Amino acid sequence: EAQVTQNPRYLITVTGKKLTVTCSQNMNHEYMSWYRQDPGLGLRQIYYSMNVEVTDKGDVPEGYKVSRKEKRNFPLILESPSPNQTSLYFCASSLFHRHNEQFFGPGTRLTVL
Amino acid sequence: QQPVQSPQAVILREGEDAVINCSSSKALYSVHWYRQKHGEAPVFLMILLKGGEQKGHEKISASFNEKKQQSSLYLTASQLSYSGTYFCGTGVYNQGGKLIFGQGTELSVKP
Repeated sequence: EAQVTQNPRYLITVTGKKLTVTCSQNMNHEYMSWYRQDPGLGLRQIYYSMNVEVTDKGDVPEGYKVSRKEKRNFPLILESPSPNQTSLYFCASSLFHRHNEQFFGPGTRLTVL
Repeated sequence: QQPVQSPQAVILREGEDAVINCSSSKALYSVHWYRQKHGEAPVFLMILLKGGEQKGHEKISASFNEKKQQSSLYLTASQLSYSGTYFCGTGVYNQGGKLIFGQGTELSVKP
């Protein structure tokens, strides 16, 4: 089944404790992206990747890192999480670029205490 | 800068029509529309590209006014399953792979 998977789905952590949210897609998509969703603010893009080893900042990259060493994986790293990073995070992928249909993962709900 | 969606919320009866608007201050190459049901991930509805190309589901219609940087999503003969939050996403010229979403429009369809 074609899909985007994220792990973990739920995470409660404390300020400053490094964490990684994994994202993987099995559709051979070149474009991958991370979004955070907060009430009243919609979806805001954190980082995106046009292909392996090619990543770039979205609108809200501060406090996040990403890497794209393999085509299928696009992990999101929070090196020192803070309470204002408490949010719902979505990973998405599309075939070539942003102008294609994006397939979203199920989401990761992160709480930073 | 996020595009502005209007209205922010709308309540319909089954069978009624609705229009959701998306407006940007930037020169757009593409407009995307997604629907998200409560507790689920956003799901693709349509992409409209500069030049008139459209990709999407047959039962959904939308327009893209390239001069005004505006798009509208038309929901006709609404069904209960149309309920959810609708997001427009904009691809801006000269911004690489960025996709900037609006704040969403919450649509409720009542029996």
